[in-house]
Amino acid sequence: DAGITQSPRYKITETGRQVTLMCHQTWSHSYMFWYRQDLGHGLRLIYYSAAADITDKGEVPDGYVVSRSKTENFPLTLESATRSQTSVYFCASSEARTGAFTEAFFGQGTRLTVV
Amino acid sequence: AQKITQTQPGMFVQEKEAVTLDCTYDTSDQSYGLFWYKQPSSGEMIFLIYQGSYDEQNATEGRYSLNFQKARKSANLVISASQLGDSAMYFCAMREVMDTGRRALTFGSGTRLQVQP
Repeated sequence: DAGITQSPRYKITETGRQVTLMCHQTWSHSYMFWYRQDLGHGLRLIYYSAAADITDKGEVPDGYVVSRSKTENFPLTLESATRSQTSVYFCASSEARTGAFTEAFFGQGTRLTVV
Repeated sequence: AQKITQTQPGMFVQEKEAVTLDCTYDTSDQSYGLFWYKQPSSGEMIFLIYQGSYDEQNATEGRYSLNFQKARKSANLVISASQLGDSAMYFCAMREVMDTGRRALTFGSGTRLQVQP
């Protein structure tokens, strides 16, 4: 299917476990983003990537690791999950167009609960 | 410091009336982009409208328009003739060039709009 897909859609994990959220896009967009959405905070940027092998920290990167070995995939790993990382996680992608700021397209989200 | 500020956590509007959702932003760049997204209760993020910092005209998309006041650093969303289906969370976002030369996209905390019949 064309577009951007996240997996899993729902995940329950225990404190201290490592968990990886997957994100895959079929548009060959250069940019990919990870956000977390918590009540009262809107969407906060965790990490973003401008291309394969290029990643940058966002507002709330602590406790998260990303990699981007291929343009189409941008996995987000919680190295040792904590209850404060219970959230809805969104992945997004966008084109890179010289001189323009392009909109981002979002995945369906992953609801992660850390118990 | 907050990059994007949405001061209205919740808004009510009567069906068929217009409503303005406020957004102010903070950047020292001259070149940036401003976006509005809608998030209905189903959870997906839907892109609504875009305004570039150099665009002279306010952006419009159907019933959506963006009231862009660059000197005030505000980018308010105006929804005309509200419909029940407009009930949702609305997020303002900004895309700017960071020190790395790469373009982050940051969001405000959102405004929940409820349209009443």
